[in-house]
Amino acid sequence: GIQVEQSPPDLILQEGANSTLRCNFSDSVNNLQWFHQNPWGQLINLFYIPSGTKQNGRLSATTVATERYSLLYISSSQTTDSGVYFCAAHQGGKLIFGQGTELSVKP
Amino acid sequence: DAGVIQSPRHEVTEMGQEVTLRCKPISGHDYLFWYRQTMMRGLELLIYFNNNVPIDDSGMPEDRFSAKMPNASFSTLKIQPSEPRDSAVYFCASSFYQIGYTFGSGTRLTVV
Repeated sequence: GIQVEQSPPDLILQEGANSTLRCNFSDSVNNLQWFHQNPWGQLINLFYIPSGTKQNGRLSATTVATERYSLLYISSSQTTDSGVYFCAAHQGGKLIFGQGTELSVKP
Repeated sequence: DAGVIQSPRHEVTEMGQEVTLRCKPISGHDYLFWYRQTMMRGLELLIYFNNNVPIDDSGMPEDRFSAKMPNASFSTLKIQPSEPRDSAVYFCASSFYQIGYTFGSGTRLTVV
């Protein structure tokens, strides 16, 4: 089956810094989503992004489906951005998750 | 919409007991998924339904696990008998035509 790999596995930032998280997938996918799992365990949908670029406030995402990767940009990070960021690839009805990037934003 | 609703939020049970987890998907969504999250294995898809019909249960660990969706607004995941290695957070998610998945808050299961 499809493999979804995320990098880096963990990241520590000072508040106000910018960061880029990467997601590579091994096969063609129908679609791609980014989620944030907050410290309380809730999985929050950030972006549904099959291709192109989307922005939502300080977050933006870009997917290049032909090259099988997606990027999540976080600008001017805040402590509330801490948590685990997952990308998940849709293939054949299934949503397959990467192992996540654990982000810690320090004040 | 209230989102995907799971119950209970927390469940502690003794080994060998039956456990039933419940999920109410978002109204109008035609896909429903059950996931399990552990530190070792991350987020794993257990089973998913389309229009109340199970489509792929290849992720169900063993025969002790079963899932049903009797109607479009309700699904259950049952473990019988439960074992300590079943301890995990179980998530339910729903989507419309596989476009954008919405997750519930999860059920944290502890089997002692």
